[in-house]
Amino acid sequence: DAGITQSPRHKVTETGTPVTLRCHQTENHRYMYWYRQDPGHGLRLIHYSYGVKDTDKGEVSDGYSVSRSKTEDFLLTLESATSSQTSVYFCAISESTGSNEKLFFGSGTQLSVL
Amino acid sequence: QQQVKQSPQSLIVQKGGISIINCAYENTAFDYFPWYQQFPGKGPALLIAIRPDVSEKKEGRFTISFNKSAKQFSLHIMDSQPGDSATYFCAARNDYKLSFGAGTTVTVRA
Repeated sequence: DAGITQSPRHKVTETGTPVTLRCHQTENHRYMYWYRQDPGHGLRLIHYSYGVKDTDKGEVSDGYSVSRSKTEDFLLTLESATSSQTSVYFCAISESTGSNEKLFFGSGTQLSVL
Repeated sequence: QQQVKQSPQSLIVQKGGISIINCAYENTAFDYFPWYQQFPGKGPALLIAIRPDVSEKKEGRFTISFNKSAKQFSLHIMDSQPGDSATYFCAARNDYKLSFGAGTTVTVRA
């Protein structure tokens, strides 16, 4: 899967607890993304990174924070998990070739907040 | 306020038939329009993509038609096969970020 690994694959947590999801790449790509996937909404961008310590918000960033201290790792933290954050979370890396672009997605993390 | 509107939500097609999925957008800053295919339990994977200066792109049984003036684009799956059963997402790029449609679940009946 293009050298991208997400962990954990599944997690069940309780409302109010902090949760951190990890994305690791072996491709040395500059751009990394966190999306959430929900029925009827497709994939929505949470946060993205364009380099070490360079991050920016996506369309659904409230309640989430990210960090990127190394090129290969991009962490997503739910500061205080809520039931509305139950979702499948996907990390992606971007490979640009000239004017085209290809996102490679990880296998996803199924998060349940009870 | 989804930036890319996709329809239908689901469709069923007979083996050998044609599947058509439509997407529309408003943001004229979008400069690249990919389609992703997703199988259950997997992450989406790039299927085919088009730039707005091209009206059609074909790769095997998959064709994108693009209408810049109408701000619409569509995916046609010709000679649909059971292995094409999956969820398809259209997307549009602006400034290194992709906005996705809500997805279309395609079921191909043998």
